[in-house]
Amino acid sequence: DTGVSQNPRHKITKRGQNVTFRCDPISEHNRLYWYRQTLGQGPEFLTYFQNEAQLEKSRLLSDRFSAERPKGSFSTLEIQRTEQGDSAMYLCASSLVSNGQFFGPGTRLTVL
Amino acid sequence: DAKTTQPTSMDCAEGRAANLPCNHSTISGNEYVYWYRQIHSQGPQYIIHGLKNNETNEMASLIITEDRKSSTLILPHATLRDTAVYYCIVWAPLSYIPTFGRGTSLIVHP
Repeated sequence: DTGVSQNPRHKITKRGQNVTFRCDPISEHNRLYWYRQTLGQGPEFLTYFQNEAQLEKSRLLSDRFSAERPKGSFSTLEIQRTEQGDSAMYLCASSLVSNGQFFGPGTRLTVL
Repeated sequence: DAKTTQPTSMDCAEGRAANLPCNHSTISGNEYVYWYRQIHSQGPQYIIHGLKNNETNEMASLIITEDRKSSTLILPHATLRDTAVYYCIVWAPLSYIPTFGRGTSLIVHP
């Protein structure tokens, strides 16, 4: 399968713990996006990379959130000191300049 | 805030055409109209996009009005598997940040 992959698919953690998610984009795509989605809402933009450069961050991305894309390939999203309000689906998408975004299956985070 | 307005929900009989409207009256000249759908608990799936001409692919057709202030996604022969939330967004790729609204929940019934 050459689509966008995300790991893990599900994560249950206790409040205060750190979690890290991984996204592997479609190999030739130079753009990578992270979104968060809660029940009944559309995806909310978190941050965006072009190659290895993080070019845009949403105000939703608090200091506890950090994202990296070393070497412009896979990306990681880390949440430190998780809170119950962080419970959501975290989506990754990749694209080229000229086409739409292709989304991964998401990582569902539950913070107890 | 999303730049598009969509009905909250619609339903359609299996085998019939599903026509999903979207209003984007403030669309800019360089913004495309993109459609995605999301089946429960999965990531959104790209369907189609267009700038000003009508577009068709194996999944759907996209009709954009001449003034570009609205569009319609057409699923010509809806099946039960087309039951999903459909998102219409306007986005200029160079602007980086597409904004999703709540979309239209389409239910296809037998």
